[in-house]
Amino acid sequence: DTEVTQTPKHLVMGMTNKKSLKCEQHMGHRAMYWYKQKAKKPPELMFVYSYEKLSINESVPSRFSPECPNSSLLNLHLHALQPEDSALYLCASSHYRGNEQFFGPGTRLTVL
Amino acid sequence: AQTVTQSQPEMSVQEAETVTLSCTYDTSENNYYLFWYKQPPSRQMILVIRQEAYKQQNATENRFSVNFQKAAKSFSLKISDSQLGDTAMYFCAFMTPDTGNQFYFGTGTSLTVIP
Repeated sequence: DTEVTQTPKHLVMGMTNKKSLKCEQHMGHRAMYWYKQKAKKPPELMFVYSYEKLSINESVPSRFSPECPNSSLLNLHLHALQPEDSALYLCASSHYRGNEQFFGPGTRLTVL
Repeated sequence: AQTVTQSQPEMSVQEAETVTLSCTYDTSENNYYLFWYKQPPSRQMILVIRQEAYKQQNATENRFSVNFQKAAKSFSLKISDSQLGDTAMYFCAFMTPDTGNQFYFGTGTSLTVIP
């Protein structure tokens, strides 16, 4: 299984809602990542988990809260988002201290 | 600090022709990896090719090959026999294991293959 899966594919939420994005991989990777991507722009790193511990947090607002329940799962909890948070949210994984990252298909988030 | 520069925001190529996408990077690290990722309009990021900095031989994957010039810090991607399915955004990326596997992406090149 060389796949990273993400759910949901699309999400529309109001600014007062609480929602979660989910990411899963079964490749035995021990590093997992959340990125935010705007149209025609490169992905922007938000969080990195290595061995289920948060290792990089790129000064992301607290309305985004990551969680890594185990080595295969990564969640991103969303609360009180702003319209400018509308974007494609990508999850990726890699072997720790390995090389390429494998990306999921993303969740298209729209905040109204 | 690591930086990656892609100086061609948009490019086009005729089907079956060859096109080269440029990428330069800046780093003081000796141990690093370079990648080209493709993101078609469906938005799934797919690895095209990778290059280890310690390898002198240029990486090749079918119609995709790189020209890795370490001294010049240049890492261009050549696509031969371009196909309509090659239409996508192409991102050059740099990674060094010593910074926690963090990727540094270029700004991307939007490639259109014209039938």
